[in-house]
Amino acid sequence: GAVVSQHPSRVICKSGTSVKIECRSLDFQATTMFWYRQFPKQSLMLMATSNEGSKATYEQGVEKDKFLINHASLTLSTLTVTSAHPEDSSFYICSANIGGGVDTQYFGPGTRLTVL
Amino acid sequence: QKEVEQNSGPLSVPEGAIASLNCTYSDRGSQSFFWYRQYSGKSPELIMFIYSNGDKEDGRFTAQLNKASQYVSLLIRDSQPSDSATYLCAVYTGGFKTIFGAGTRLFVKA
Repeated sequence: GAVVSQHPSRVICKSGTSVKIECRSLDFQATTMFWYRQFPKQSLMLMATSNEGSKATYEQGVEKDKFLINHASLTLSTLTVTSAHPEDSSFYICSANIGGGVDTQYFGPGTRLTVL
Repeated sequence: QKEVEQNSGPLSVPEGAIASLNCTYSDRGSQSFFWYRQYSGKSPELIMFIYSNGDKEDGRFTAQLNKASQYVSLLIRDSQPSDSATYLCAVYTGGFKTIFGAGTRLFVKA
């Protein structure tokens, strides 16, 4: 199956700093990548959808200036949490879609962010 | 508002039994249906997808789709303690939109 990696897997940072999370499709080109956030014991919440070379589409209520998404290539998308605060602490998961009519999403292993 | 509904559980079954997980969706135009398994602290892992009405079997897993009833289910035969996880139903509604249910927690008792 398709493999998606994320880096880092875990990050602890101080309040006010920015954190960048990378999502890579390792064995396929991802026309579309998705970023989710999941709080403990809650369901996945889609934050944004990104297509290579274009601006991300953010879900309602997600601040695009706080969560910067860059989909620079067909194998890499990054999420930057700017000026992170403790309430941003969460499990961030990316997924990638092969495209070409195949709508299956393959998930990365996730990044656990803790903001002190 | 397009929705995907799942019973949150927990669903508890004894080892070796059949676990039946259910999901309903609101958008009749939905095209593709997926089941993911998520262990605690991990990201979702694709188990199966189904596009057409009827049953689709893969090992111990069977996905069932009934578009007329807007219903999709997942059966796990010979349930094992390692199957204990949260199972997410996901529905692709077109336009890059996949909607996930909140998940059903399954607990398989040894």
